[in-house]
Amino acid sequence: GENVEQHPSTLSVQEGDSAVIKCTYSDSASNYFPWYKQELGKRPQLIIDIRSNVGEKKDQRIAVTLNKTAKHFSLHITETQPEDSAVYFCAPVTGGFKTIFGAGTRLFVKA
Amino acid sequence: NAGVTQTPKFQVLKTGQSMTLQCAQDMNHEYMSWYRQDPGMGLRLIHYSVGAGITDQGEVPNGYNVSRSTTEDFPLRLLSAAPSQTSVYFCASRRTGDYGYTFGSGTRLTVV
Repeated sequence: GENVEQHPSTLSVQEGDSAVIKCTYSDSASNYFPWYKQELGKRPQLIIDIRSNVGEKKDQRIAVTLNKTAKHFSLHITETQPEDSAVYFCAPVTGGFKTIFGAGTRLFVKA
Repeated sequence: NAGVTQTPKFQVLKTGQSMTLQCAQDMNHEYMSWYRQDPGMGLRLIHYSVGAGITDQGEVPNGYNVSRSTTEDFPLRLLSAAPSQTSVYFCASRRTGDYGYTFGSGTRLTVV
């Protein structure tokens, strides 16, 4: 089955710095690449996604890049703010069926 | 449009008891899934469904049953609760195609 790994597992940055989280996957048939944010005690929420025919997508301070050849995609957060502190999950989708989540990356943004 | 609704929000069970966690969505989504999240951990897939009458096992299906008689509802049944099933359970749904999941607010289950 699909193997999904996220790195790093924990990331601490100073407010205003950039943060990058990488997700590697094993199934070359994966065709949809979302990122979710989960704040403490809340439900996960989709924050950005990318489809397999696109290399990069931006939405204000967040962006996602995809390298299908190397089978990884990354979440980029610029000008980090304390409210960006959360756990971030990747969840590549293959064939639209079951979705396996990465183990998560805990991001701390220090004011 | 309520999105994904889970009930109850909190539940305490005794070992060996059974119960059903309810999940309903009003977005006409074809795909629905159940995940469990242990403290400080990620989301592990229990069961999923790609449409009414069709279900399949995820990563950790043992001790749980599901059914999908309608597009809207996807209940999760715990057959004989064990302390290892203490967790937060999330139900999620999405449209067919390249779309992300919408999650319910979760059910916090404690088995004593």
